[in-house]
Amino acid sequence: GDSVTQMEGPVTLSEEAFLTINCTYTATGYPSLFWYVQYPGEGLQLLLKATKADDKGSNKGFEATYRKETTSFHLEKGSVQVSDSAVYFCALSDDFNKFYFGSGTKLNVKP
Amino acid sequence: EAGVTQSPTHLIKTRGQQATLRCSPISGHTSVYWYQQALGLGLQFLLWYDEGEERNRGNFPPRFSGRQFPNYSSELNVNALELEDSALYLCASSLGDGYNEQFFGPGTRLTVL
Repeated sequence: GDSVTQMEGPVTLSEEAFLTINCTYTATGYPSLFWYVQYPGEGLQLLLKATKADDKGSNKGFEATYRKETTSFHLEKGSVQVSDSAVYFCALSDDFNKFYFGSGTKLNVKP
Repeated sequence: EAGVTQSPTHLIKTRGQQATLRCSPISGHTSVYWYQQALGLGLQFLLWYDEGEERNRGNFPPRFSGRQFPNYSSELNVNALELEDSALYLCASSLGDGYNEQFFGPGTRLTVL
């Protein structure tokens, strides 16, 4: 069945460091891919999405490219801030609108 | 515009009891999704309702059930509670079938003693 695998955390970075959180997926059909973010004490918020191969989603300095050849959707940001500290979830929706989430990666950014 | 709301915020039950969780979607959204977020396990898809009908369900036993009302709000019922059911239950809504952008509520923390 479909699934999402993302790198385990926590990831600890200093402010202004480069961020990569790896996400790979297994899917039949043509899934859409998402990154959600969960700030402490809050619900999940959509960060960015891509609906087809080679699409790049971007928001708030974060970006991710839908790579069909490597079945990946890695999240990147060039310079992280303390306010980016949160849990990041990679997810896919299949052709039947069923969602699969990764286990989440906690990011800690230190000043 | 009001977001997705869930009630109660916290719920404490004992083993064997039943729990009822409620969700109100964003106005204009017809789809409601339920997820279980157990500690360290990420989000597990539970149920998807659209236009009052159950459209899909995840790999959970039948004691997890729910319904969607004519105003598109939804209830999640968990019968015969077990200790392992302790988790954060998240509700999300979307514009409907074919719209895959989901908006999440803050969740209900269920504790089973």
